Amino acid sequence: AQSVTQLDSQVPVFEEAPVELRCNYSSSVSVYLFWYVQYPNQGLQLLLKYLSGSTLVESINGFEAEFNKSQTSFHLRKPSVHISDTAEYFCAVTVNTGGFKTIFGAGTRLFVKA
Amino acid sequence: GAGVSQTPSNKVTEKGKYVELRCDPISGHTALYWYRQSLGQGPEFLIYFQGTGAADDSGLPNDRFFAVRPEGSVSTLKIQRTERGDSAVYLCASSLKRGSEAFFGQGTRLTVV
Repeated sequence: AQSVTQLDSQVPVFEEAPVELRCNYSSSVSVYLFWYVQYPNQGLQLLLKYLSGSTLVESINGFEAEFNKSQTSFHLRKPSVHISDTAEYFCAVTVNTGGFKTIFGAGTRLFVKA
Repeated sequence: GAGVSQTPSNKVTEKGKYVELRCDPISGHTALYWYRQSLGQGPEFLIYFQGTGAADDSGLPNDRFFAVRPEGSVSTLKIQRTERGDSAVYLCASSLKRGSEAFFGQGTRLTVV
């Protein structure tokens, strides 16, 4: 069975500092990988995705994630965070067979302090 | 519509009652998903529709939960004999086709008292 582990439930960080949110997954078949963000009182939004090709993917607001197949990881990074990045971040895996259901991690709360 | 619409946004019901939660996906999206999100946890997969048929219902917790999508568009999640443990935010998402980006609704917050 597939699973997603987000290693940190909360990450406090000061504004303009770098941040890494960790995600590991387990699957015996090929997968698609996603990071979703949920801002306070808003719905889930796709931040970035890995389907195939280049293992480094980027979002429009400065986040990036790298697919590492050997370590089964898809960590999310940003070199300099802003107050507005405060949100819940969810790593997700879609199994590339059958029903294509997506499994989510428990989430990491990123709290950016001034 | 412009996005995935879920109604009602909030539902409070008494233990033992029956509830229906509605999801109106983005027009033209063939894939539709239901998830449940409890406080402090990530969304938990319930069921996936491809068109009118339930392609994967392995996440439904028990036979009190049922979902339909009769015309391949709007979907209804039905919960019979609700229990306090059913309290959660129920999320619906749709995608153009299976495996492509899923767009989520705002969710229905169900509270069973």
